[in-house]
Amino acid sequence: NAGVMQNPRHLVRRRGQEARLRCSPMKGHSHVYWYRQLPEEGLKFMVYLQKENIIDESGMPKERFSAEFPKEGPSILRIQQVVRGDSAAYFCASSPERAPEAFFGQGTRLTVV
Amino acid sequence: KQEVTQIPAALSVPEGENLVLNCSFTDSAIYNLQWFRQDPGKGLTSLLLIQSSQREQTSGRLNASLDKSSGRSTLYIAASQPGDSATYLCAVQGSSNTGKLIFGQGTTLQVKP
Repeated sequence: NAGVMQNPRHLVRRRGQEARLRCSPMKGHSHVYWYRQLPEEGLKFMVYLQKENIIDESGMPKERFSAEFPKEGPSILRIQQVVRGDSAAYFCASSPERAPEAFFGQGTRLTVV
Repeated sequence: KQEVTQIPAALSVPEGENLVLNCSFTDSAIYNLQWFRQDPGKGLTSLLLIQSSQREQTSGRLNASLDKSSGRSTLYIAASQPGDSATYLCAVQGSSNTGKLIFGQGTTLQVKP
């Protein structure tokens, strides 16, 4: 059973471009969480999704950021018109139905140049 | 609003020492508390999860305790080894069990041979 898979592991974007980060949860997991780790800061919750539903997006910036978890395929975190301040490590975690423990992926490190 | 604080921010010890990492949280109404390990440039590895009804959990040389009433948890590492060098993160999950984790800033541990 593969773990949580995130790709790409590293992503470089120029200011103004779009960044798409993908997360494939562990087999059988229907809950996905996205976190962001800014340089020299702790991990901050962004969004919690179930299949085809956004449950909690209280940590998502109001503009340029969106997330989805379609019925088929990976969860996608999309950042439009990236700025230098978006440079960070983005982590995805997944869990089974309402289970207490979430499993984290290796993260995608986004660099905006 | 839940806040999680970890002290110290960094710690350097000689190999073989027993050590304690501290975590405090402001809202005692938590569902569970987890300790994670993060190696540089890597993802998070879950070490121990303590449910709100539990007082402690043990895994090998690691022991984590939880005192909800005082809003504190400690991670005890026995007989430290150079391979224990990493950043240790404490995270709490709120009482609603949404799966959303609130992280501390972490303690960066260096164990010198």
